Amino acid sequence: DAGVIQSPRHEVTEMGQEVTLRCKPISGHDYLFWYRQTMMRGLELLIYFNNNVPIDDSGMPEDRFSAKMPNASFSTLKIQPSEPRDSAVYFCASSRESTGELFFGEGSRLTVL
Amino acid sequence: AQRVTQPEKLLSVFKGAPVELKCNYSYSGSPELFWYVQYSRQRLQLLLRHISRESIKGFTADLNKGETSFHLKKPFAQEEDSAMYYCALSSYSSASKIIFGSGTRLSIRP
Repeated sequence: DAGVIQSPRHEVTEMGQEVTLRCKPISGHDYLFWYRQTMMRGLELLIYFNNNVPIDDSGMPEDRFSAKMPNASFSTLKIQPSEPRDSAVYFCASSRESTGELFFGEGSRLTVL
Repeated sequence: AQRVTQPEKLLSVFKGAPVELKCNYSYSGSPELFWYVQYSRQRLQLLLRHISRESIKGFTADLNKGETSFHLKKPFAQEEDSAMYYCALSSYSSASKIIFGSGTRLSIRP
């Protein structure tokens, strides 16, 4: 297994543009998490899914952020419109139920100018 | 509410010196605690978890419920230990909602 796969690895965009980040979890994992990493705040949990259903989105900063998981092998995190303060590394991670060990993707580094 | 606090953003020690990365948590139930590590150009990965009671790469961490702490320790630091370390917490009864502290960058000086 190639592990959790994220795309794009790097994205540079201008303020106001729509950004879509993608994630393919490890096959057989029931949980999928989206985290945001910044120097100031470290790793913040944005949202997580269990069996494709969003369980807790309380970490999503505002309505500009949305996440979907249409099937067990794909999830997206969308920012519309993007702002410079959204610049960060966005990580996707997946896990089996009840093990607690997260497997992370390589991250998507977003820069909003 | 769940909360994980890592008070040090940066910790710099000499090779061969002892290392202690601090982690405090707040949680009303039974927590499960983890340490994750991110080496340069590698993915964030699990280092150890308290229920395993293992020593990984010479690191150990003991859960102290009285002090609500889960400090990571190593008696003799090595240069390859330089990395970003995150303490994390989840509910023992469920693997869901794993939250992380803000991280500590450990730098080992030769």
